[in-house]
Amino acid sequence: AQTVTQSQPEMSVQEAETVTLSCTYDTSESDYYLFWYKQPPSRQMILVIRQEAYKQQNATENRFSVNFQKAAKSFSLKISDSQLGDAAMYFCAYFAADSNYQLIWGAGTKLIIKP
Amino acid sequence: DVKVTQSSRYLVKRTGEKVFLECVQDMDHENMFWYRQDPGLGLRLIYFSYDVKMKEKGDIPEGYSVSREKKERFSLILESASTNQTSMYLCASSGLAGVKDTQYFGPGTRLTVL
Repeated sequence: AQTVTQSQPEMSVQEAETVTLSCTYDTSESDYYLFWYKQPPSRQMILVIRQEAYKQQNATENRFSVNFQKAAKSFSLKISDSQLGDAAMYFCAYFAADSNYQLIWGAGTKLIIKP
Repeated sequence: DVKVTQSSRYLVKRTGEKVFLECVQDMDHENMFWYRQDPGLGLRLIYFSYDVKMKEKGDIPEGYSVSREKKERFSLILESASTNQTSMYLCASSGLAGVKDTQYFGPGTRLTVL
């Protein structure tokens, strides 16, 4: 079965610094999609960033960027200039034909921002 | 802005009760999803629907059923609630591109079964 692994249950970072959240996945597909979702405390889950596997360029959204290493099956999220509002659970997710057309989710990483 | 609403934020029910969780989206999305979220397990798909009156089982459908009579509304039903169904339930919707499209989530319902 396809799996998505987030090896860091919890991370903390000082405000204004940079933090990287890791995600690895298992697949034999060549075409797939990867996602990072953010779930702030008591608020709705929202999409942070999406990467299509066939695209060489790493996706970027403002302070959020990914390091997509296809051969290593790694999809890490870098948050630059961390802000208090970045405190949340972050989930990595994978989709492809071999996931039965469902999103496969990691267990999540809780990000704590220290003021 | 896409809005996905869920009928309750918190719900407490007794073992054996029939429980209805409702989800409504206002963006005319074709696809709707029900997930269960438990600490350390991420999100697990219970059921999804790609059209009115259509439904597909996800990874953990046992003990649950769904109903989609109208495009904007997707209901999750626990026929006979059990304590192991105590969890956070998240509803989501997405557009024509399906699962690879952005999913928009509701605020969640935290269900406690006593």
